[in-house]
Amino acid sequence: EVQLLESGGGFVQPGGSLRLSCAASEFTFSSYAMSWVRQAPGKGLEWVSSIRGSGGATYYADSVKGRFTISRDNSKNSLYLQMDILRAEDTAVYYCAKGVGSGIYSFDYWGQGTLVTVSS
Amino acid sequence: DIVMTQSPDSLAVSLGERATISCKSSQSVLFTSNNKNYLAWYQQKPGQPPKLLIYWASTRESGVPDRFSGSGSGTDFTLTISSLQAEDVAVYYCQQHYSSQITFGQGTRLEIK
Repeated sequence: EVQLLESGGGFVQPGGSLRLSCAASEFTFSSYAMSWVRQAPGKGLEWVSSIRGSGGATYYADSVKGRFTISRDNSKNSLYLQMDILRAEDTAVYYCAKGVGSGIYSFDYWGQGTLVTVSS
Repeated sequence: DIVMTQSPDSLAVSLGERATISCKSSQSVLFTSNNKNYLAWYQQKPGQPPKLLIYWASTRESGVPDRFSGSGSGTDFTLTISSLQAEDVAVYYCQQHYSSQITFGQGTRLEIK
């Protein structure tokens, strides 16, 4: 069974940084695009960023472009999200999600999420 | 960005009755070269991550009960639950991946009447 396990969330002050990680198992990690999707408390889903299987192409929501960086290490079956210049509106549960294919498709597996709280 | 608009925002349906949720996109999500609509539906129960129900607008994900169906093309899509069960209480989201700027609808909360 595919497993995605996020880590790295926590409490940070505005302007600070955090690095999220997602450990993947039970599928050929390098063959699939991976994404981060977030959900603010009591709100809907917001796509954050995606990266193709090879890691050669990355995509970002306008709300995080220039502040967040997605990356992956296919040798470690791991996905990352470096979050800099954090704002209060970045407070959310961050989900790691597996794409259906190597391109930008729908998401067939999701992790349980990691909570990021940005507050002074 | 492609804006996804769901209706209604909330819906109460009796057990065993049909539930219908609409999703409209601000531009077509039909990729003409392969005739596929880049539209998915998800179910999210409280405290859980979303679960993929439908992809390519009408293809049911493995393991999803056949009471769930998706239809539509271009800019107008529908998720139908043919006979509502208690375990279907959830928030439902549509999502487009036609654009690399993926967007979700605002969600529809489905409850039992």
